[in-house]
Amino acid sequence: GNSVTQMEGPVTLSEEAFLTINCTYTATGYPSLFWYVQYPGEGLQLLLKATKADDKGSNKGFEATYRKETTSFHLEKGSVQVSDSAVYFCALSVGGFKTIFGAGTRLFVKA
Amino acid sequence: NAGVTQTPKFQVLKTGQSMTLQCAQDMNHNSMYWYRQDPGMGLRLIYYSASEGTTDKGEVPNGYNVSRLNKREFSLRLESAAPSQTSVYFCASSEQGQDTEAFFGQGTRLTVV
Repeated sequence: GNSVTQMEGPVTLSEEAFLTINCTYTATGYPSLFWYVQYPGEGLQLLLKATKADDKGSNKGFEATYRKETTSFHLEKGSVQVSDSAVYFCALSVGGFKTIFGAGTRLFVKA
Repeated sequence: NAGVTQTPKFQVLKTGQSMTLQCAQDMNHNSMYWYRQDPGMGLRLIYYSASEGTTDKGEVPNGYNVSRLNKREFSLRLESAAPSQTSVYFCASSEQGQDTEAFFGQGTRLTVV
């Protein structure tokens, strides 16, 4: 079946630190991969996506590369800010109608 | 610029009571979804509707029913609430296709006592 595994949190970093949140997936077929972010009290919103192998999605300083050989889509940011504190969800979609989400990783950034 | 609107935002129910969560989107999307979010479990799909007039079960449909009233509206009903249904519920919508972004409402925090 299709599934997403992401690193457990919470992750606590100081401002300007480097961020990596690991995500691996299992999928039948060729999925599209997504990172969503959820700020406190809000719904999820798309952060970035990649639709085929070796694609790099990027937005707001965050990046993730679709690695088919390692079935991974790790989220990275070179210098985090306090405003990046949120819950981050890795997700995949195969076939068009259902998006499968990981458990989410909570990030705290300290000033 | 409303996007996806859910009501209510908060609700407390007693075990056995029923209620309907409402969801409406103004983006002319064909597909709509209901998810529940529980700590450590991410989002789990309850039901989805690929297009007006169709609904299908997701990963955790037991205890829920849905109605796709028209293209804009997709409601979720709990016929007899149980404490295990305490959760945060999110409605989402998207265009069809696996590359497309899902747009989420702000969520309904439901507590069943």
